[in-house]
Amino acid sequence: ETGVTQSPTHLIKTRGQQVTLRCSSQSGHNTVSWYQQALGQGPQFIFQYYREEENGRGNFPPRFSGLQFPNYSSELNVNALELDDSALYLCASTLVPGMNTEAFFGQGTRLTVV
Amino acid sequence: RKEVEQDPGPFNVPEGATVAFNCTYSNSASQSFFWYRQDCRKEPKLLMSVYSSGNEDGRFTAQLNRASQYISLLIRDSKLSDSATYLCVVNMNTDKLIFGTGTRLQVFP
Repeated sequence: ETGVTQSPTHLIKTRGQQVTLRCSSQSGHNTVSWYQQALGQGPQFIFQYYREEENGRGNFPPRFSGLQFPNYSSELNVNALELDDSALYLCASTLVPGMNTEAFFGQGTRLTVV
Repeated sequence: RKEVEQDPGPFNVPEGATVAFNCTYSNSASQSFFWYRQDCRKEPKLLMSVYSSGNEDGRFTAQLNRASQYISLLIRDSKLSDSATYLCVVNMNTDKLIFGTGTRLQVFP
């Protein structure tokens, strides 16, 4: 196993609600990235956090927001959920940003919006 | 045009077959290249990095052609356990990984 853990593993929410997903990164890794993977698609980059600061963002609206804590764990928050937000949400940790190092993924949170 | 393009497959091959996957990327400034493997309903896992000189890991061989912006993965002597989705990934050296849609491989007995 990678040492990256995500919670919860599955979640069902109603359109318009808000959701918080959590990720604990691999020990010693200070960089966490979040990805959204819709069915039949590859993961799409949402944003990255490095030392508690946002360090890059993909093409996602502001209702997708995040946090990184001093212990390098991270949260992804999504407000005003839409049906199209249904997807597998993956977090990945790396040792440092901007280097060709392996990204370790958590098992993901499967979000269903109804 | 997508940043990373792959044939989605599925590729259905018998055990023992050799199968090749191709991938093209659009941004010539891409710095690092990878193949990830993703089993059904699981997280992606790094299969191998890809270098211009080519690299081999057992039955798997990866190749990068920077001039053509083309990446390949060759799997020899396919096993049932190779059945998975293979994701072509590029990195702009920012740790933002750009994934293709994946190519699904099904190996049958």
